[in-house]
Amino acid sequence: EVQLVESGGGWVQPGGSLRLSCAASGFTFGAYAMHWVRQAPGKGLEWVSSIKWNGDIVHYEDSVKGRFTISRDNAKNSLYLQMNSLRPDDTAFYYCVKDSRGDYGYYFEYWGQGTLVTVSS
Amino acid sequence: QSALIQPASVSGSPGQPITISCTGTSSDVGRSDLVSWYQQYPGKAPKLMIYEASKRASGVSDRFSGSRSGNTASLTISGLRAEDEADYYCCSYAGLYIYVFGSGTKVTVL
Repeated sequence: EVQLVESGGGWVQPGGSLRLSCAASGFTFGAYAMHWVRQAPGKGLEWVSSIKWNGDIVHYEDSVKGRFTISRDNAKNSLYLQMNSLRPDDTAFYYCVKDSRGDYGYYFEYWGQGTLVTVSS
Repeated sequence: QSALIQPASVSGSPGQPITISCTGTSSDVGRSDLVSWYQQYPGKAPKLMIYEASKRASGVSDRFSGSRSGNTASLTISGLRAEDEADYYCCSYAGLYIYVFGSGTKVTVL
């Protein structure tokens, strides 16, 4: 059974940093692309970032470029999202999502339960 | 990229069919069949229902079907059931490794 467990969320002041982690199990983590998708409380879904199976190719939504960094450690079955220069509009549940392929399958196959990031003074 | 346009709410009686539309542009929905649909219950994570416009994800009831024509994709639920009451989101690949989601539709079973 695919399991994705996010951690690292919490409250941070504007301009601060947080590092999200996602522990994966139930599949060969290193064989699949992974994504982060967020959802502001009571709002819709928004794609944030993607990383291919070997970590060499990454992509970001425009509003997080230069502030967020996606990475992975295939030996530890873990996905990360380093978030710097956080803004109030980054407040959201952040979901770790498994792709269907090592490069991109262009849809989001399995989702974790999410971790809440609150950016507020 | 602007969010894809979905009706805010759709309702139907048990056993009736409903259809949720997802309207984009030639840059996203209209560019290919790379449209997917997700079901989300309150307080829960989204779940993949349909991928590549019309393919059902593993374990998804055949009451759910998807289609695409031009810049509009659609999700149809035939034989509506109480457990189908949830939020539904479409998503399209928009090129250059960018994905755009729909605004979301709340399905209510009367």
